[in-house]
Amino acid sequence: GENVEQHPSTLSVQEGDSAVIKCTYSDSASNYFPWYKQELGKGPQLIIDIRSNVGEKKDQRIAVTLNKTAKHFSLHITETQPEDSAVYFCAALSTGTASKLTFGTGTRLQVTL
Amino acid sequence: DAGVTQSPTHLIKTRGQHVTLRCSPISGHKSVSWYQQVLGQGPQFIFQYYEKEERGRGNFPDRFSARQFPNYSSELNVNALLLGDSALYLCASTLSPGEETQYFGPGTRLLVL
Repeated sequence: GENVEQHPSTLSVQEGDSAVIKCTYSDSASNYFPWYKQELGKGPQLIIDIRSNVGEKKDQRIAVTLNKTAKHFSLHITETQPEDSAVYFCAALSTGTASKLTFGTGTRLQVTL
Repeated sequence: DAGVTQSPTHLIKTRGQHVTLRCSPISGHKSVSWYQQVLGQGPQFIFQYYEKEERGRGNFPDRFSARQFPNYSSELNVNALLLGDSALYLCASTLSPGEETQYFGPGTRLLVL
């Protein structure tokens, strides 16, 4: 089955700096890669996603890149703000009879003033 | 628009008891998936349901079961609770199993004593 690894597990940046979170996946058949933000006591919130036929996608301060050959994808947050502090999860979608998301282990991002 | 709703928000049970968790998907969404998120880890896929039928199951014992109703809401049942079942149980909704984007509810936090 699919296996997703995520690094780093914790990341501390100063407000205004950039943050980068990296993930790798194992199943070359996976073709959809969402990123979720989870705040304390809440469910995961979809912040951006990318499909396998696209190399890069950007939405304001957030961007995601995908390298299918290397099975890598990354989340980039620019001009970080304190409200960006949360746990971020990458995931890969496996399809078959069910659409199953396999998640990474999460990155706790702390944006300090 | 209402998002995915789950009830109850919190629950405390003792070992050996059973529990029923409930989920209502986004209006118009016909597929519901259940995930278990143990503290400090990413969510793990339990089930996906579509049109009242199970479409896929993760690596969980038979103590875990679910069903979907004609209005597309869903229940997750766990029998013979173990301490290790303590987790945040998340429901995700999609338009249909073929749709990639999954939207999560706030979760039900279950504590087994």
